[in-house]
Amino acid sequence: DQQVKQNSPSLSVQEGRISILNCDYTNSMFDYFLWYKKYPAEGPTFLISISSIKDKNEDGRFTVFLNKSAKHLSLHIVPSQPGDSAVYFCAASLTGTASKLTFGTGTRLQVTL
Amino acid sequence: DAGVIQSPRHEVTEMGQEVTLRCKPISGHNSLFWYRQTMMRGLELLIYFNNNVPIDDSGMPEDRFSAKMPNASFSTLKIQPSEPRDSAVYFCASSFAGTYIANTGELFFGEGSRLTVL
Repeated sequence: DQQVKQNSPSLSVQEGRISILNCDYTNSMFDYFLWYKKYPAEGPTFLISISSIKDKNEDGRFTVFLNKSAKHLSLHIVPSQPGDSAVYFCAASLTGTASKLTFGTGTRLQVTL
Repeated sequence: DAGVIQSPRHEVTEMGQEVTLRCKPISGHNSLFWYRQTMMRGLELLIYFNNNVPIDDSGMPEDRFSAKMPNASFSTLKIQPSEPRDSAVYFCASSFAGTYIANTGELFFGEGSRLTVL
C-alpha cells in the first residue's frame, strides 16, 4: 500500500530547461512534505520542504508546489543543471510523529547537455 | 561534524547466514531510523527509535529482522537467517525530534549498506 507515489520512474531534461517532478499521496492526514535528492552510492539529502498551510515554497532554483485538494505536490527546478542529475524522493509526514517519513519510489532525473 | 556513519558499506553473504548492519547517529540526535531501498518500493521505513526506545517496528518485514539501540550512539539491524530477497541498500538516518518544538521532519542519512545475499 504505497501512500506516497511517484509515477514517473525517470525524466530527461535539457540543461537550462525546467524539470518538473511529480508526487501524489493518498493519506489526507499528511501535513508536511519534503523532497530529498540522492546521488549514486550516497545517502539521500534533504532538498526542500513545505507545510500543508502553504501552497508554495521556494529556495533558489527549487520550488515545491502543494495542491492539497488534489493530494499532489511537484518540484520545479529552473534552470536545470547537469549537477541536478540524481534520484529525487518525495516524502510525507504527520506532525508529531517524530520525523517519521513515508517516501515514494523516486524519480531519476537526467539533465542532458 | 561527522554525519551518520554506517558499516559495512558493502556486504556479500550466502543465504542462511546472519547479517549485522551498524549505525552511529549524529551526536545529539534523539531519533534513529532504519530504511531499506529497493527498486520496487523505494525507501521503506523498517523501524524507528526515539530516545533509544523502539517506537514503530511495523515495517520490519519478518521475524528474521531485528533491531536494537543499546545507547544513543549506536544501533544495529540484524537479519538472521538472510535470504536473497533481503538484498537491498539499507540506510540509517537520524534526526532531532523535540518534545515541545515543531520539527521539520528533516532526516540525515548515512551512505547506506549495500547487502547482497547469494
